[in-house]
Parts: sequence; C-alpha cells; structure tokens
Amino acid sequence: AQKVTQAQTEISVVEKEDVTLDCVYETRDTTYYLFWYKQPPSGELVFLIRRNSFDEQNEISGRYSWNFQKSTSSFNFTITASQVVDSAVYFCALSEAADYKLSFGAGTTVTVRA
Amino acid sequence: GAVVSQHPSWVICKSGTSVKIECRSLDFQATTMFWYRQFPKQSLMLMATSNEGSKATYEQGVEKDKFLINHASLTLSTLTVTSAHPEDSSFYICSARGTVGPGNTIYFGEGSWLTVV
Repeated sequence: AQKVTQAQTEISVVEKEDVTLDCVYETRDTTYYLFWYKQPPSGELVFLIRRNSFDEQNEISGRYSWNFQKSTSSFNFTITASQVVDSAVYFCALSEAADYKLSFGAGTTVTVRA
Repeated sequence: GAVVSQHPSWVICKSGTSVKIECRSLDFQATTMFWYRQFPKQSLMLMATSNEGSKATYEQGVEKDKFLINHASLTLSTLTVTSAHPEDSSFYICSARGTVGPGNTIYFGEGSWLTVV
C-alpha cells in the first residue's frame, strides 16, 4: 500500500498566485517524520522541511507554509505569491520509526508561468 | 553545513559494462547511507540501505548481485551497477544519515545520471 499520496500530478499557475500541494500519508507508527523536497530539472533534492509526528504546529518560512493535521493524516504545502523559480517537482516523504528510510509520494509538478 | 557529494554527476556507459557511483559525506560521519533510484518522471524508490562495515540491506525486487553496495568507511558508500543494460538508465541518488544536527538529519547527494547505451 502506498504510504504517501500526492494526488495532484501537475499544477500550473500564473505568477503571484498561491498554490497548495496536498500530501496524505499512511502509517501505523506513532513516531514518524514528514518531509517536503523540491526537485528542479537538474535533479538534486532541495530540503524544504522536516516535521516530526509530535509537532503539529504549522510552520511558515518566507513564502512557504505547511499545514500538518494528524487527524486527517495530511501535511499540505502552500507556496504564496508563486514565482517562476518555484517551478519544479515537489515531493512529500515519510520516514517511519527511526530507520530514516524515506517513502516518497509520486510528486507534484508545479509550473509557474510569468 | 553537512554536505553529501556524489560522483560522477553524469555517466554514459556501454551495455554490459559496470559503473561505480560514489557517495561521500564530506564533513560528518555517516553510519547509514541509502541509495534511491528515480526513473524519468517517476518518484524516488529506495533500493538499499548501506551500513558501515556490514552488508547492505536491499529492498524487495532489487537485485543485490546487480547493484553492489559497499560501505567501507564512515564517509563513503559506493554503488556499482554490474553488467549495465539500457533499462538501468536512471537517476541514482544517495542519502546519508548523519549523527550530528537536530535529530539525526538526512542529507542527500546531488544525484548521478546514468545512461546505458
């Protein structure tokens, strides 16, 4: 069974629009970590955030914000006032227990048009 | 900050040959490293877990005799694709679990693009 579901395959927006990427996860562990990564065309994974299962506080970092809701097993990511440089594939990932193996979602391709 | 470096970034090899990809932790000791594979327009899939000084643990469906992993030191893990074929063409990326930083952080290398012709 897929542990991380990113239902949106592709999202296209015009610059300055907000975009929200959904992530739903599945785990039986009480201790786990959730991640978001950005992957530009060059391929490297750019770390955006890590959240542990005991910290449901939402976080804002510049134009990025994350909404973690354990009740719905979701960890959504919003880019506010999108820019062309935000165009990339975004992955949500889950690490269960303490093994630090990551299960990645399918990824969401975000295209921001000028 | 911690850096994980992969080499080579790009490699083209002939079908039937073997190719080695290195993953190095540059400023920390990595007790555990992970190798992932990503086919075009797909997600990243874990191939194996590499532990320093012991045999790698492979995920289901990954051929251990084809993808040889060696983690001989706390700063280096290597992935060797043996007898490579065009279907092995993919993006290979490693990650390292560091023992410093907040809560044992995971660091990713830059990735290696393998093309088998």
